Amino acid sequence: NAGVTQTPKFQVLKTGQSMTLQCAQDMNHEYMSWYRQDPGMGLRLIHYSVGAGITDQGEVPNGYNVSRSTTEDFPLRLLSAAPSQTSVYFCASSYRATPSSYNSPLHFGNGTRLTVT
Amino acid sequence: ILNVEQSPQSLHVQEGDSTNFTCSVPSSNFYALHWYRWETAKSPEALFVMTLNGDEKKKGRISATLNTKEGYSYLYIKGSQPEDSATYLCAQSGSNYKLTFGKGTLLTVNP
Repeated sequence: NAGVTQTPKFQVLKTGQSMTLQCAQDMNHEYMSWYRQDPGMGLRLIHYSVGAGITDQGEVPNGYNVSRSTTEDFPLRLLSAAPSQTSVYFCASSYRATPSSYNSPLHFGNGTRLTVT
Repeated sequence: ILNVEQSPQSLHVQEGDSTNFTCSVPSSNFYALHWYRWETAKSPEALFVMTLNGDEKKKGRISATLNTKEGYSYLYIKGSQPEDSATYLCAQSGSNYKLTFGKGTLLTVNP
């Protein structure tokens, strides 16, 4: 199994450009989520999905869209990039639809480092 | 939004020392407490998931306890090694679908 695969690893955007961060998992996980990591902050939840066709907002959803058309894929879209979106983005998945389940730790991708100038 | 506090922010120990750090979590609406280890230039890896008051988990030299009534969890490392150097994150699930992370404790183990 490849686990959780994120692409690209690095990206530089200009303000106002749009792009999609890709996330795929091959573990048949129900739950997928996107976090951003900024200096001095903990990982902050952007959006999450508990199954194909179901998405919901996390703590910091503004400026981002997501969709979950298949169990495997959960892309994150930046519609109009802003310098405040410069960050490291992590996709994470877990087997059960709730991270509170006894055997459902999060599995993280390797991250995407995004710079918006 | 839950407030998950970790202390200390950073910690330097000598090889062979045992150490511990704290994760303080709101006791209301508690579902689960996660611990993750995050090495530099890698992604976080799960250590433990605990759901019940009094839970104790162990993996090698690392163990964790949970006290939901008092609102805290401790992570213990026995006989620290340089390869234990990492940031240790805790996270609480206060609803079934959202995991809130603390800012982490950065552990440096000097040889």
